[in-house]
Amino acid sequence: DAGITQSPRHKVTETGTPVTLRCHQTENHRYMYWYRQDPGHGLRLIHYSYGVKDTDKGEVSDGYSVSRSKTEDFLLTLESATSSQTSVYFCAISDGMTQGAFFGQGTRLTVV
Amino acid sequence: EDQVTQSPEALRLQEGESSSLNCSYTVSGLRGLFWYRQDPGKGPEFLFTLYSAGEEKEKERLKATLTKKESFLHITAPKPEDSATYLCAVQAGGGSNYKLTFGKGTLLTVNP
Repeated sequence: DAGITQSPRHKVTETGTPVTLRCHQTENHRYMYWYRQDPGHGLRLIHYSYGVKDTDKGEVSDGYSVSRSKTEDFLLTLESATSSQTSVYFCAISDGMTQGAFFGQGTRLTVV
Repeated sequence: EDQVTQSPEALRLQEGESSSLNCSYTVSGLRGLFWYRQDPGKGPEFLFTLYSAGEEKEKERLKATLTKKESFLHITAPKPEDSATYLCAVQAGGGSNYKLTFGKGTLLTVNP
């Protein structure tokens, strides 16, 4: 498996609280991505990073922010969690040179 | 806007019964088309990358093909362990930062 670790793997939080998910890679890849996966919608891109401190929005970015202060870490923050953000979140990495992307094991987030 | 449509949504096969999954796409300048396998509770696992029409890739019982409008994943003499969700994704060229746009997947069940 590619060296990607997501934490936590499971989390239950209350509506209105901030939540931060972490993605850590050991592959030194330049590109990192956050996706969410929901039944009937498939995988949708939230935010991505193309270098340290370089980030941009994906198709479902409202209510989310990201930060990348080091090559190996990409953080996803839900500023004020809502029930619609209950989902499985996947981090992915790519070197941009060879193949598509390699995915982490996911974080299951439940907002109650 | 890049779009990926996979069909069928679900497919049930008997062990040994060959079939194909379809992935239709529209993308502004295809850089690559990717197939992934996803098992329940896990992240997508990379299978193939296809770059140009006419290209084919094989791995065990799976063969992926590509035309200018669609890709097929052929499964020959499937076994129960081939049961999974198969995801198709496209990557646009130019300044896309190597983002992947996914289809919703095909859930394959192979009965013994």
